[in-house]
Amino acid sequence: DAKTTQPNSMESNEEEPVHLPCNHSTISGTDYIHWYRQLPSQGPEYVIHGLTSNVNNRMASLAIAEDRKSSTLILHRATLRDAAVYYCIHTNTGNQFYFGTGTSLTVIP
Amino acid sequence: EPEVTQTPSHQVTQMGQEVILRCVPISNHLYFYWYRQILGQKVEFLVSFYNNEISEKSEIFDDQFSVERPDGSNFTLKIRSTKLEDSAMYFCASSALTGNTGELFFGEGSRLTVL
Repeated sequence: DAKTTQPNSMESNEEEPVHLPCNHSTISGTDYIHWYRQLPSQGPEYVIHGLTSNVNNRMASLAIAEDRKSSTLILHRATLRDAAVYYCIHTNTGNQFYFGTGTSLTVIP
Repeated sequence: EPEVTQTPSHQVTQMGQEVILRCVPISNHLYFYWYRQILGQKVEFLVSFYNNEISEKSEIFDDQFSVERPDGSNFTLKIRSTKLEDSAMYFCASSALTGNTGELFFGEGSRLTVL
């Protein structure tokens, strides 16, 4: 398994930014870093992915450390709908995504 | 917005019975996957499928499991003789590119309960 380390849980106030950290010290040069989330009773949902440069999309931003051994998912303004388990994943084979235990994000109104 | 659809949403079966879970991936996608999630546990990779054959599989995907794309639109997971420990949520996913470079689209899942 390509291992990542994330905090088990985090809390954020609604409408505040959230920074979700992930360590992936075993990452290889060709691995992309992916973030998915899983809302309660739903399938995983793609959030963002990147290789070396920071990435932005409509959902979030991904900040990747220069040595690529860590990354941070940034939700710019947390909403109640963002309460989910967030998974940081990197894969050293094309199609096997190994989901760890992720970070359970609680958004406080 | 295109989506991956899965049927049935919930199936209850007796131990030892065969089960087929069905998925309709997004129409122009080329890569297909099955994952499972036992209640309260993490999402586990089972198998990936490309060009009408299995490209990767995990240790979980033993001889009891098989996958098929019978008609160019459906993608099925068959469990030949179900065990109690097969009770889980099964998620189908598809992608246009390989998983490492592309986005996986997951279905809502099929809950399998083995009694």
